[in-house]
Amino acid sequence: NAGVTQTPKFRILKIGQSMTLQCTQDMNHNYMYWYRQDPGMGLKLIYYSVGAGITDKGEVPNGYNVSRSTTEDFPLRLELAAPSQTSVYFCASSPTGNEQFFGPGTRLTVL
Amino acid sequence: EDKVVQSPLSLVVHEGDTVTLNCSYEVTNFRSLLWYKQEKKAPTFLFMLTSSGIEKKSGRLSSILDKKELFSILNITATQTGDSAVYLCAGTVYSGYALNFGKGTSLLVTP
Repeated sequence: NAGVTQTPKFRILKIGQSMTLQCTQDMNHNYMYWYRQDPGMGLKLIYYSVGAGITDKGEVPNGYNVSRSTTEDFPLRLELAAPSQTSVYFCASSPTGNEQFFGPGTRLTVL
Repeated sequence: EDKVVQSPLSLVVHEGDTVTLNCSYEVTNFRSLLWYKQEKKAPTFLFMLTSSGIEKKSGRLSSILDKKELFSILNITATQTGDSAVYLCAGTVYSGYALNFGKGTSLLVTP
């Protein structure tokens, strides 16, 4: 099993550009999550999904969108990138909604 | 508001020392407490604790939860330089799906 994979590993965006961060898991987990981690801070939940077709907002959803058309994939969309979205983004999945397993992260810089 | 507080924020020890990391949490409708290790990449899962007084062990690492006092500790004995990392504590609740993370304890083990 590859576990949770994320692409790209790094990305630099200009203000106002859009992009999609990809996340795929091969463990057949129903629960999937997107977090962002800023320096010196804990992880903050952006969006989560409890199954295909079901998504909901987390603590910091503004400026982001998600979709969950399959169990495996949970892409995160940034529509109009802003410097405040410079962060490391982690995708995670869980079999139970309890313990979560994280992908390697995407480091995003918005200039 | 649910809150997870870790202490100390940072710690420097010598190889061979024993360390204790602390996590206190104020969450309503508590379900579980989790510990993760993060070394410059994705957090990796260490332990999940749901019952008070039961110690979880994995090699030199162990953790215990006090549900009454809303407190958990992570012990690392005979520390090695490879234990250098940020250790994250997170709580989950029955009414939600997120991990509520603390800011982490940064541990540096010197030779």
